[in-house]
Amino acid sequence: GIQVEQSPPDLILQEGANSTLRCNFSDSVNNLQWFHQNPWGQLINLFYIPSGTKQNGRLSATTVATERYSLLYISSSQTTDSGVYFCAVGLIRDDKIIFGKGTRLHILP
Amino acid sequence: DTAVSQTPKYLVTQMGNDKSIKCEQNLGHDTMYWYKQDSKKFLKIMFSYNNKELIINETVPNRFSPKSPDKAHLNLHINSLELGDSAVYFCASGADLNSPLHFGNGTRLTVT
Repeated sequence: GIQVEQSPPDLILQEGANSTLRCNFSDSVNNLQWFHQNPWGQLINLFYIPSGTKQNGRLSATTVATERYSLLYISSSQTTDSGVYFCAVGLIRDDKIIFGKGTRLHILP
Repeated sequence: DTAVSQTPKYLVTQMGNDKSIKCEQNLGHDTMYWYKQDSKKFLKIMFSYNNKELIINETVPNRFSPKSPDKAHLNLHINSLELGDSAVYFCASGADLNSPLHFGNGTRLTVT
């Protein structure tokens, strides 16, 4: 089956720092989403981005489908950005949406 | 007004019992899902329904039976609960199979 790999697995940063999270996938996809799971366990959809670039405030994402990766950029980190960031992909040949194992981000005040 | 709501939020029960988790979405979406999140935070798809029809059954034990009475509801019934069923169960919905997912707040199931 498809492999969805996220890196780094863990990241600790000081408030105000910038970060880049990466998602690599092993098959062609027509659906790619980024989620933030906050410390209370809620899963928030950040971006639906099967290709191209999108920005939402301090967050932006880029997916290069032909090279099978996506990047999530977080600028000027705040403590509320802490949590787990998941990449999820849907295959062209399938109806499943598969999640990566996540990047655990901890922002220090 | 909550978009995807799950009940109960917490469920503590003993091995061998049968329990249900309910999910409702008021977004008018056609597709609904159940995901299981284990203690390592890994999210695994269990079931997917599109227009009340089962699309995906991801090799889940047949003790787990989803039921979709209408497009807005997808309930999960679990028979003969086992210790390994302890996890957080998330319901989600999407407009269709290629749309953004919207998650409920999860149900933390603890089997003792």
